[in-house]
Amino acid sequence: KNEVEQSPQNLTAQEGEFITINCSYSVGISALHWLQQHPGGGIVSLFMLSSGKKKHGRLIATINIQEKHSSLHITASHPRDSAVYICALNYGGATNKLIFGTGTLLAVQP
Amino acid sequence: DTAVSQTPKYLVTQMGNDKSIKCEQNLGHDTMYWYKQDSKKFLKIMFSYNNKELIINETVPNRFSPKSPDKAHLNLHINSLELGDSAVYFCASSPFWGDEQFFGPGTRLTVL
Repeated sequence: KNEVEQSPQNLTAQEGEFITINCSYSVGISALHWLQQHPGGGIVSLFMLSSGKKKHGRLIATINIQEKHSSLHITASHPRDSAVYICALNYGGATNKLIFGTGTLLAVQP
Repeated sequence: DTAVSQTPKYLVTQMGNDKSIKCEQNLGHDTMYWYKQDSKKFLKIMFSYNNKELIINETVPNRFSPKSPDKAHLNLHINSLELGDSAVYFCASSPFWGDEQFFGPGTRLTVL
């Protein structure tokens, strides 16, 4: 079993829809990152979470440490949100380990 | 004004050659990283340096050697290149280990 699982793997939405991407993990972590990789290949860090909820524009990220689960929400989706969204875990502590999910490919159609 | 820069952007070379990829950040960050993204788009960390000291060295062949001459630079040298080394290599930096990371544009390495 992978330490980090993302769902769905692929997601197609219509412009304006509310989108949720999920990330579940099975290990203790110090923080969780959400990254966005554009079709051109560039990677941008969206959020780093250790608890609760963060919001930036139309993006909202939540994490439930007890349930080992995080969600990334996009409100009022737009074709420019089309990208791969990647969840990554910080193990923290002495291990200094970073583990990445396989990503969710999102396509928002006009 | 680029925060994290990598050179070259594209690198095409023959098997067996030795090549280097350079990374520089002008953000004043303490920590830098090298990642490999394979053909299936899966990202995997290779190395991490904090204040010029190696803190992560994942199971990477010893043909790969990172070098950090100062906090702003983390270069990746690859000896005896193999076909399986073909990938996109990303450099990143963060203010300290585990913090939000800023990624470079990537270097697409093709080994023929």
